[in-house]
Amino acid sequence: KQEVTQIPAALSVPEGENLVLNCSFTDSAIYNLQWFRQDPGKGLTSLLLIQSSQREQTSGRLNASLDKSSGRSTLYIAASQPGDSATYLCAANNAGNMLTFGGGTRLMVKP
Amino acid sequence: SAVISQKPSRDICQRGTSLTIQCQVDSQVTMMFWYRQQPGQSLTLIATANQGSEATYESGFVIDKFPISRPNLTFSTLTVSNMSPEDSSIYLCSVEEMTGPFSYEQYFGPGTRLTVT
Repeated sequence: KQEVTQIPAALSVPEGENLVLNCSFTDSAIYNLQWFRQDPGKGLTSLLLIQSSQREQTSGRLNASLDKSSGRSTLYIAASQPGDSATYLCAANNAGNMLTFGGGTRLMVKP
Repeated sequence: SAVISQKPSRDICQRGTSLTIQCQVDSQVTMMFWYRQQPGQSLTLIATANQGSEATYESGFVIDKFPISRPNLTFSTLTVSNMSPEDSSIYLCSVEEMTGPFSYEQYFGPGTRLTVT
């Protein structure tokens, strides 16, 4: 059974810092891995999807990497802004198209 | 990417009653998923709903408590039956779109925030 862990659970940084969010998974037989953003009380917004054959994906200030062999993914946020404050979730996609979510990282970017 | 809407966006219900949540997608999709997010927790899959067949429920979730309908390729409903305060959660529907061989990306609706008193 796939298990996904995210570290840290919470993170507070001053505006402008570069930061890294970590995601680890136990079953490396994934089809892809997705990173989502969730604002308080809201649904999920898909940020990046990394296919199992890829090592990284970039979108604007976001860069996600994937190392299947070690069961790890990272989300790098450059030049953080207060508007980046949200919970960031990673989810591993295994056979059956079922997503297994990590517990999330609550990010606060202070002005 | 698929655009998903949910109704209601939020509701406050009394224990013992039932609530039906609707999920509408702007394109035809094969698989739809229903998730629950309890306060302060991550998402847990309730069931997978395919059009024309019964929903497949994950461990810990049963049809009597969470009946699901999937009448066509753009719509699904989830009912939370005989509610108790423990059912207070955000309920989210999602759909998947194929992005490559054996690879799918999931998109989520805005969620329904349910409070049971």
